[in-house]
Amino acid sequence: DGGITQSPKYLFRKEGQNVTLSCEQNLNHDAMYWYRQDPGQGLRLIYYSQIVNDFQKGDIAEGYSVSREKKESFPLTVTSAQKNPTAFYLCASSPDRLSNQPQHFGDGTRLSIL
Amino acid sequence: AQTVTQSQPEMSVQEAETVTLSCTYDTSESNYYLFWYKQPPSRQMILVIRQEAYKQQNATENRFSVNFQKAAKSFSLKISDSQLGDTAMYFCAFMSFYGNKLVFGAGTILRVKS
Repeated sequence: DGGITQSPKYLFRKEGQNVTLSCEQNLNHDAMYWYRQDPGQGLRLIYYSQIVNDFQKGDIAEGYSVSREKKESFPLTVTSAQKNPTAFYLCASSPDRLSNQPQHFGDGTRLSIL
Repeated sequence: AQTVTQSQPEMSVQEAETVTLSCTYDTSESNYYLFWYKQPPSRQMILVIRQEAYKQQNATENRFSVNFQKAAKSFSLKISDSQLGDTAMYFCAFMSFYGNKLVFGAGTILRVKS
């Protein structure tokens, strides 16, 4: 079955360390997204990519970086510049930037500070 | 910038009863899309229902229906014959007609009691 796979499910970061969250999709979707979810809040957009080798900042991009070298993959790096990284991270995809189709979500990664 | 407001942080309903979740939004656009997503304790984001702003007819999906009031910028979700499996966090979300970024509300926790 097609879907979005996020790994790992749980991740721990030490102070000053960069960590990378993986997101892979086999839905042949052009657009991919990263969201952050904090308790009691809705999802906030970190970065999104509408096509390979191109991506744009979302509302809370500071302290994060992404790459889109392959259509299927959109990894998110949480850098040491992100001072409050503890959150639940969700990756999503949609068919293309013009279809306005609903986004499909992965199962998420919970990141915590050691 | 668009905003989405869910004014009910928590709600509860008896099994088999009907419940309505509220959502209001702010936008200057005339065409757009609205969504309700469900996030059960497993944290997976599941699309419940979608409404196109240019359609006057309210969307329905089995036990789920919406009351879309464009002039009032209101988009409530009605769940009929509530089931224990409906227990989840429900998010209202907005998408511009020519964009594919979702703007989420803060969510409403719904508890279905037996």
